[in-house]
Amino acid sequence: NAGVTQTPKFQVLKTGQSMTLQCAQDMNHEYMSWYRQDPGMGLRLIHYSVGAGITDQGEVPNGYNVSRSTTEDFPLRLLSAAPSQTSVYFCASRQTQVMGTEAFFGQGTRLTVV
Amino acid sequence: GQQVMQIPQYQHVQEGEDFTTYCNSSTTLSNIQWYKQRPGGHPVFLIQLVKSGEVKKQKRLTFQFGEAKKNSSLHITATQTTDVGTYFCAGPKDSGYALNFGKGTSLLVTP
Repeated sequence: NAGVTQTPKFQVLKTGQSMTLQCAQDMNHEYMSWYRQDPGMGLRLIHYSVGAGITDQGEVPNGYNVSRSTTEDFPLRLLSAAPSQTSVYFCASRQTQVMGTEAFFGQGTRLTVV
Repeated sequence: GQQVMQIPQYQHVQEGEDFTTYCNSSTTLSNIQWYKQRPGGHPVFLIQLVKSGEVKKQKRLTFQFGEAKKNSSLHITATQTTDVGTYFCAGPKDSGYALNFGKGTSLLVTP
C-alpha cells in the first residue's frame, strides 16, 4: 500500500516562480488536506477538501490554490513563490465515512524559495 | 475560532525520566488525537480519545482526555531514546473533518 504520496520531496524555487506540489492517495479517502510546518509553528492548515469538486480554506490559504478533480489527487499550487513560503509541506488524508478517524500523512515536500 | 494550545514547546530529559505534554482547547472537543513525528519524518497517528475522562495506555504511553473534553495529556514513563520526536495533539476544526494541530512538544532524550 502506497498510502499518501507526495512529490517532489525537495524543491528550490526562485521568488516569483510558480509550481505545483503533488499529492495522491490510494486509500479512497474523501478528505484530503495540506499543511505547512515551520519551526515553532506546528502544523498549519492551508486548504482542505471533503470530496471531488469541494475545497475550502484553512488557517493560512493566501498564496496557495487547490483543486480536487478526482478522489485520489489534491495538488497544491503556488502561484508566485515568496521567501515566506519556504517551509515543509505535508499532505494528509482521512476517510469520512466515520467521524474521528486518523489522518495519514505523506512524506512531505521541503520547499525553499530564494 | 477553535484553537489548540500545547505545552511545553520543548522538553529535554535524561533517559529513564518521565515526560508529560499537555494540550488545551478553547472549545469543547468531540475527540482528540495524538501524533508523533520523528526528526525528519512525517506525523504518525498514535491514538484517539473520545469519551470524557478517558484514559488509554500504549505500553509506556498514557493518554488522558479531560472531564470537560477541553484538555488532554500524554505521559511517557521511563523515556527511551526511541521516544525522541515531536508530539502533537489535534482536535476537529469546527466539528468537521479538518484537524487543528497544536504547535507540538519536541522531546529530546539523552542517554
